[in-house]
Amino acid sequence: SQQGEEDPQALSIQEGENATMNCSYKTSINNLQWYRQNSGRGLVHLILIRSNEREKHSGRLRVTLDTSKKSSSLLITASRAADTASYFCATTNNYGQNFVFGPGTRLSVLP
Amino acid sequence: SAVISQKPSRDICQRGTSLTIQCQVDSQVTMMFWYRQQPGQSLTLIATANQGSEATYESGFVIDKFPISRPNLTFSTLTVSNMSPEDSSIYLCSVGSGRTNEQFFGPGTRLTVL
Repeated sequence: SQQGEEDPQALSIQEGENATMNCSYKTSINNLQWYRQNSGRGLVHLILIRSNEREKHSGRLRVTLDTSKKSSSLLITASRAADTASYFCATTNNYGQNFVFGPGTRLSVLP
Repeated sequence: SAVISQKPSRDICQRGTSLTIQCQVDSQVTMMFWYRQQPGQSLTLIATANQGSEATYESGFVIDKFPISRPNLTFSTLTVSNMSPEDSSIYLCSVGSGRTNEQFFGPGTRLTVL
């Protein structure tokens, strides 16, 4: 089965710096999504990128998708302490099913 | 987007007992999903709950351990049966946006089994 895998597992940066997280997966996908989870609570949907898209922006977020390498990256620019959270990628297959989460990246933004 | 609530938000239970978690959505949805998140881990899909039919369980999860009800299009329950400390996790329900495949998550139920 396909599985998203993020790296790094943990990332610590200073406020104002950019944070980059990567996600890899194994099989063909319909789309890839990024989520944020604060302190073990519910997940918040950040951004969705479809398999025919290469880059998407939303505010300070930039997501890229390389289907040839089966990988995606999430860039958070000008990070803030409030960005401290765990970030997960999730993929769906070509039927829009089989929602699979990666292990996540724990981001710490230090003031 | 959908607004999802879960009850209870957290609980501490004794080994061998069962806990039923409720999930309420503010709109009618066809499919609801239940996930488990073990401490420090990612989310794992337990089952998909369709209204009017039996839930579909993922590999490694069985109905006897995690019975699910889906009595209508806005509500579902997940029961964690005969609990052991290994069941200590956050349990989350979610619904999908049929058009965009986004998932909207409830706030989660943090379960601790002693």
